[in-house]
Amino acid sequence: GESVGLHLPTLSVQEGDNSIINCAYSNSASDYFIWYKQESGKGPQFIIDIRSNMDKRQGQRVTVLLNKTVKHLSLQIAATQPGDSAVYFCAPLNSGGGADGLTFGKGTHLIIQP
Amino acid sequence: GAGVSQSPSNKVTEKGKDVELRCDPISGHTALYWYRQSLGQGLEFLIYFQGNSAPDKSGLPSDRFSAERTGGSVSTLTIQRTQQEDSAVYLCASSLVGGGGIYNEQFFGPGTRLTVL
Repeated sequence: GESVGLHLPTLSVQEGDNSIINCAYSNSASDYFIWYKQESGKGPQFIIDIRSNMDKRQGQRVTVLLNKTVKHLSLQIAATQPGDSAVYFCAPLNSGGGADGLTFGKGTHLIIQP
Repeated sequence: GAGVSQSPSNKVTEKGKDVELRCDPISGHTALYWYRQSLGQGLEFLIYFQGNSAPDKSGLPSDRFSAERTGGSVSTLTIQRTQQEDSAVYLCASSLVGGGGIYNEQFFGPGTRLTVL
């Protein structure tokens, strides 16, 4: 069946602080994980991905950590800015096939407090 | 460098009417996807086109929903006899190549907000 990232609904942080968004998944066959960000009134935008043979990947101000043992991944955003306010989705995928249509859960709404 | 565009941005219709939503993918992208996002919900996959292959319609919620992609470019999502539960944001995305077990980044349009009264 589908494996959809499960998130906490809302996270509020002060501007400049670091934030951690968590995501749990259920399908142990998932071997590729992507994060998207959706700002209000816009379509989702790709942020970063990680393959199952890695446990950490860094981008610009973002780091994704993967723990396959407990089927959990997190997105860390350093020094948050107002533009980081958005809903964040993770999507576990199986690179072995499928229609490649994405399925997101409800995501986590990150609110940056001034 | 235009991105994915969708029209209209907003559509208000009456229950029972048909609506057509348009998507213009990024030039050169052979894969095109339609999604639905209800208020406060995640993303629900509807249909997927790849090149000239038959589309994957596995996500369409009912036979009132259909989609076409003409000339491998522009796509139209049609909802017949709209119902209030069809109210949602309909998102289109395109990517370079779909399928084959390799993820190619999907670029999303801004969506069409459909309201069925």
